[in-house]
Amino acid sequence: DAGVTQSPTHLIKTRGQQVTLRCSPKSGHDTVSWYQQALGQGPQFIFQYYEEEERQRGNFPDRFSGHQFPNYSSELNVNALLLGDSALYLCASSHRGVGPDTQYFGPGTRLTVL
Amino acid sequence: AQSVAQPEDQVNVAEGNPLTVKCTYSVSGNPYLFWYVQYPNRGLQFLLKYITGDNLVKGSYGFEAEFNKSQTSFHLKKPSALVSDSALYFCAVRPPPGGYQKVTFGTGTKLQVIP
Repeated sequence: DAGVTQSPTHLIKTRGQQVTLRCSPKSGHDTVSWYQQALGQGPQFIFQYYEEEERQRGNFPDRFSGHQFPNYSSELNVNALLLGDSALYLCASSHRGVGPDTQYFGPGTRLTVL
Repeated sequence: AQSVAQPEDQVNVAEGNPLTVKCTYSVSGNPYLFWYVQYPNRGLQFLLKYITGDNLVKGSYGFEAEFNKSQTSFHLKKPSALVSDSALYFCAVRPPPGGYQKVTFGTGTKLQVIP
């Protein structure tokens, strides 16, 4: 049973560029949430996708956008990168239909903005 | 607004001794509470959760947590610490179903188990 997978593992970009991060949820899961974890901090909720729509959003600017595909995989896009966007980006999947859903996390994508 | 506080940045404990990692929360209604562990350069691993019922919740790797509604706390515990338990531990809270379903994490507590 494959867990949550994310790609790429590491990424280096320069200010102003755009980046796309990818996530495949755990088998049987249909909901994907994205988090930003800055160094020394806890994960901060960016948004959640379910049925190919953004359902919840945290306090992140519109530069952060996403998409969910029919196979439940998801992408996180960040435009006009800033130095402060450097962080570990975590994807978490869950099954919406199963009560208080437990989120299972992927290994993350380490984004460095120079 | 919901929030989670982990008052200790780091907890040091000798191998074999009991450990406690503290967490307090603030949320409207009955909370869903979670503990996750993060090893270096890794994602978060689910340890345990409290939804309802018995205030003492048992989880993975011998960990347990005690829910205390009056003190709004959800402390993580283990009777006998292992060196391999050394990691970063996060407490998280989510409101009950209905409305905004954001999960809020604490800032983390680094657990160091000393051989």
